[in-house]
Amino acid sequence: ETGVTQSPTHLIKTRGQQVTLRCSSQSGHNTVSWYQQALGQGPQFIFQYYREEENGRGNFPPRFSGLQFPNYSSELNVNALELDDSALYLCASSNDRRNTEAFFGQGTRLTVV
Amino acid sequence: DAKTTQPTSMDCAEGRAANLPCNHSTISGNEYVYWYRQIHSQGPQYIIHGLKNNETNEMASLIITEDRKSSTLILPHATLRDTAVYYCIVRVEYNNAGNMLTFGGGTRLMVKP
Repeated sequence: ETGVTQSPTHLIKTRGQQVTLRCSSQSGHNTVSWYQQALGQGPQFIFQYYREEENGRGNFPPRFSGLQFPNYSSELNVNALELDDSALYLCASSNDRRNTEAFFGQGTRLTVV
Repeated sequence: DAKTTQPTSMDCAEGRAANLPCNHSTISGNEYVYWYRQIHSQGPQYIIHGLKNNETNEMASLIITEDRKSSTLILPHATLRDTAVYYCIVRVEYNNAGNMLTFGGGTRLMVKP
C-alpha cells in the first residue's frame, strides 16, 4: 500500500472519445507524474507536475494533458482517443527533495474500442 | 538519462540469492542507479538506489562496479513473492526531479519452488 490511489481501476472508451483519469498522491507529496504502460512493455513517462505546474514532459502528443490541484491530486486527460491509447496508466507521487523514491498507484486500465 | 541493458528473463530457486545484472556503460558521473520492480498487475515499487558505493536495505543489496558501468541487484533469499519484472534505471538527481523515470524492458525474474 503506497498511499497513492487512482480511479477508476478499469475503463472502456470508444475511439474518438475523451477520458479523464484521477490520482490522489501520498500525503505530503507535491510532485505527481503519469506513465503509460502498454502490454508487455515498461512504463513510459508522459509528464510531471510540481506545485500545480508542468515541469517535465515525455514524447506524447498535446492531446495528452493534465492538471494538478492545490491539494496535489492530479488528473490526466486524453482527447480524441485512439486504439493505441489502450494501456495501463500509472500515477506516481514524490516530494521535491533529491534522491527521492517514487510511489506508484495501482493504475487505471484503459481499453479503447 | 543513460540507457541500460538487462537480460530479458532469469530464473531463481526459492531461498537462493537472485543476482540481477544491469549494464549502463554510458552512465555519467552525476547519474544514480535506481532499481524498481513491478509485480503482476501492480504499480512499480522502489527497491534501492546508489551512486558509486554499494548499498543495502531491508529488501536488497546493490553492487556497483568501480567504473560504474554496471551494477547487480541482489535479493539475498528469494521468495515466490519476489517474482516480478525488475527495472534498472539511471538518472540525474536534482531538486524537483521527482518521478521522471526512463524504464527499459526490465528483467522478468521467476522464482521457482
